[in-house]
Amino acid sequence: EILMTQSPATLSVSPGGRATLSCRASQSVSSNLAWYQQKPGQPPRLLIYGASTRATDIPARFSGSGSGTDFTLTISSLQSEDFAVYYCQQYDKWPPLTFGGGTKVEIK
Amino acid sequence: QVQLVQSGAEVKKPGSSVKVSCKASGGTFSGYAIYWVRQAPGQGLEWMGGIIPMSGPADYAQQFQGRVTITTDESTSTAYMELNSLRSEDTALYYCARALNYYDSSGYWGQGTLVTVSS
Repeated sequence: EILMTQSPATLSVSPGGRATLSCRASQSVSSNLAWYQQKPGQPPRLLIYGASTRATDIPARFSGSGSGTDFTLTISSLQSEDFAVYYCQQYDKWPPLTFGGGTKVEIK
Repeated sequence: QVQLVQSGAEVKKPGSSVKVSCKASGGTFSGYAIYWVRQAPGQGLEWMGGIIPMSGPADYAQQFQGRVTITTDESTSTAYMELNSLRSEDTALYYCARALNYYDSSGYWGQGTLVTVSS
């Protein structure tokens, strides 16, 4: 099973600031990595797939990078609606399609 | 637009079973994987298993092997997740999700079904 490790667990950022979230895989997952955003009381929403491709209707301030074992989600200028929990997930080898533990982005 | 609508909340006794449904509309059902993901209160996302309706059988995460069964009914575009031998730790929100492309990221999600296990 591929283990996904996200850091930090919590990130405090000021509105308008930049957030950089990390995700590391225990072995290479090529570019088969997705990022999700989850707000309280809502299901997750796909932000990024293929490590760097934005999903439909996702604003350009969200960007993904990386391949192999190290990945980054960057939110360039945080808006109020971006404060949420973010999860990475690998879909290179299954079962299972493993999720990271999540990073909570909170208001500083 | 793909939509996934799940069945309603359930309250179950320890040792019993629960079966949650997920009806898809607005897209092709058979050629894309359907996944089940659960989230315990205040916790992260846990992938339980997945199935491609036109292919089968389902794949399961090791920790659920022998206790979970994922099936589909192509005639009604509905997926099902049945979890047996329920214990209190199974209290969670259960989500179905559909792959964006075949068997990859989860591009579409159901609203979630709360399953509460309590004596």
